[in-house]
Amino acid sequence: DIQMTQSPSSLSASVGDRITITCRASQDIGNLLAWFQQKPGKAPKSLIYDASSLQGGVPSRFSGSGSGTDFTLTISGLQPEDFATYYCQQYTNYPLTFGGGSKVEI
Amino acid sequence: EVQLLDSGGGLVQPGGSLRLSCAASGFTFKNYVMTWVRQAPGKGLEWVSSIIISDGSTYYADSVKGRFTISRDNSMDTVYLQMNNLRAEDTAIYYCSQATSGLNWGQGTLVTVSS
Repeated sequence: DIQMTQSPSSLSASVGDRITITCRASQDIGNLLAWFQQKPGKAPKSLIYDASSLQGGVPSRFSGSGSGTDFTLTISGLQPEDFATYYCQQYTNYPLTFGGGSKVEI
Repeated sequence: EVQLLDSGGGLVQPGGSLRLSCAASGFTFKNYVMTWVRQAPGKGLEWVSSIIISDGSTYYADSVKGRFTISRDNSMDTVYLQMNNLRAEDTAIYYCSQATSGLNWGQGTLVTVSS
């Protein structure tokens, strides 16, 4: 199974900050990586697929990069509605696997 | 607009069964893989099962293999998750999602396994 390791598991930030979350795969997954945002009591929401493609309707302050084993999610200019937990997920092969999550707090 | 409507959760005793449903609309159902993901209370996301709608091929996490069965009804654009021999550790919110990349998600349905 492919292990996905996210860091940090939590971080404190302020409105306007630029933050980066990293996700490392235990083996090469090409660019088959997605990022999700989840707020308390809500379903996950897709932000990015294929490592760097922005889902429709997602603000351009979100960006993804990387390929192979190392990936990043960057939020440039943090907004109040961005405080949430973020997950990465590989979909190269089964079992699909998620990172442990990164909670972004004020 | 894509919509995924999850239903069928509830309280069940250990060893019991439940069938979850996910009614899809707003996209060409047969062109996608549909996936179930669960989230135990206070925990992260865990993939459970996927089905290729066009040919019915199925995939399962080791933790549910032999107990859960995923299926689809193409005439109803609905995917199901039959869960048998439920255990306490199956307690979670179950979400269906579109594609292996999680394009869209249902609102989730809560399954509680407890005596």
